[in-house]
Amino acid sequence: DAGITQSPRHKVTETGTPVTLRCHQTENHRYMYWYRQDPGHGLRLIHYSYGVKDTDKGEVSDGYSVSRSKTEDFLLTLESATSSQTSVYFCAISDLGQNNSPLHFGNGTRLTVT
Amino acid sequence: DQQVKQNSPSLSVQEGRISILNCDYTNSMFDYFLWYKKYPAEGPTFLISISSIKDKNEDGRFTVFLNKSAKHLSLHIVPSQPGDSAVYFCAASANYGGATNKLIFGTGTLLAVQP
Repeated sequence: DAGITQSPRHKVTETGTPVTLRCHQTENHRYMYWYRQDPGHGLRLIHYSYGVKDTDKGEVSDGYSVSRSKTEDFLLTLESATSSQTSVYFCAISDLGQNNSPLHFGNGTRLTVT
Repeated sequence: DQQVKQNSPSLSVQEGRISILNCDYTNSMFDYFLWYKKYPAEGPTFLISISSIKDKNEDGRFTVFLNKSAKHLSLHIVPSQPGDSAVYFCAASANYGGATNKLIFGTGTLLAVQP
């Protein structure tokens, strides 16, 4: 799994509470990504990072924020969780930002918002 | 608007036969295409890729074909094995000049290889 650890692996939370998911990598890769997987939608990009403190939005960024204070850690925060954010969240890394460099994914975090 | 489409949610084949998974795309700026394989409770795993300057790429039992004029690509698995049973995602990216490698994924096809 390319040295990627996501925590927690499972989480149940209530609507309106803040939630932070963590992605930790040991590969020293520059690029990190957060995707969510939902039935009928495949994987959709939430946010990505191209370096420490350098982040940008993906296609479904509303309701999410990210932070990257160290190369190895990329945090995804739901400021006030909603039921529509129930999903499986995947972190991915890449050593090159070029589009011929495959992403390597972690094993995901299953989040349920009740 | 789904830019990458996998119109077959599932596919069942016999062990030893060929599996053909299809993918269509709408964005003519896409110039790199990938296939990922995903088992339950695991993250997607990179399988094979193809650049738009090629029409075929082969890696062992896996071959990806690209038809740019039809905006269509396919993954062939020959021979299929029970361990190939998984969800297969097609993905695409475009080089807009920024080094970000943002992949656009299809909705996936569940392949079941019957022993």
